[in-house]
Amino acid sequence: AQSVSQHNHHVILSEAASLELGCNYSYGGTVNLFWYVQYPGQHLQLLLKYFSGDPLVKGIKGFEAEFIKSKFSFNLRKPSVQWSDTAEYFCAVNPMTTDSWGKLQFGAGTQVVVTP
Amino acid sequence: NAGVTQTPKFQVLKTGQSMTLQCAQDMNHEYMSWYRQDPGMGLRLIHYSVGAGITDQGEVPNGYNVSRSTTEDFPLRLLSAAPSQTSVYFCASSYTDSQAYEQYFGPGTRLTVT
Repeated sequence: AQSVSQHNHHVILSEAASLELGCNYSYGGTVNLFWYVQYPGQHLQLLLKYFSGDPLVKGIKGFEAEFIKSKFSFNLRKPSVQWSDTAEYFCAVNPMTTDSWGKLQFGAGTQVVVTP
Repeated sequence: NAGVTQTPKFQVLKTGQSMTLQCAQDMNHEYMSWYRQDPGMGLRLIHYSVGAGITDQGEVPNGYNVSRSTTEDFPLRLLSAAPSQTSVYFCASSYTDSQAYEQYFGPGTRLTVT
């Protein structure tokens, strides 16, 4: 079965520190890749997505992610976090097959806590 | 636009009760889906629909029914609630004209089954 793995379940860091969250998936074909964020008490919002082209994708709020096809990875980065980045981050994968359209496979999520 | 709306926000059920979680979107999206979110497991797809009159099962469909009589609405029915269905439920919608879509999520319904 396909799976999406997020390496860290819980990350605590100080403001201005750099953040990198790992995501690996097991599907061997072409995929669409996403990072969603869920701020406390809110619903999921799209941070960024990759579907083709430049493997370095820039999203909202200073986030970026790099797709490395050979490693089946889509890691999320931010050079300098703020307290407002405290949230849960989800990696999601959608295999580009006819019967998988729209079916997002989510990772377990990484809870990020940024301390002042 | 209101986007994706869900009601109720919170619900407590007793084992064996039935109920319907409501989901509506005003973006004319063809695709709608239901996910459940459990700690340490991310979101898992329950059911989805690619248009009015068309529904299909996702990863964890047991114990849930859906129907899609209009483009706007996609209710999720719990037939006989069980404690294992305690979860946060999210509805999502998107267009179907491209694989490079974005799914828009509703605010969620937190369900507790006692």
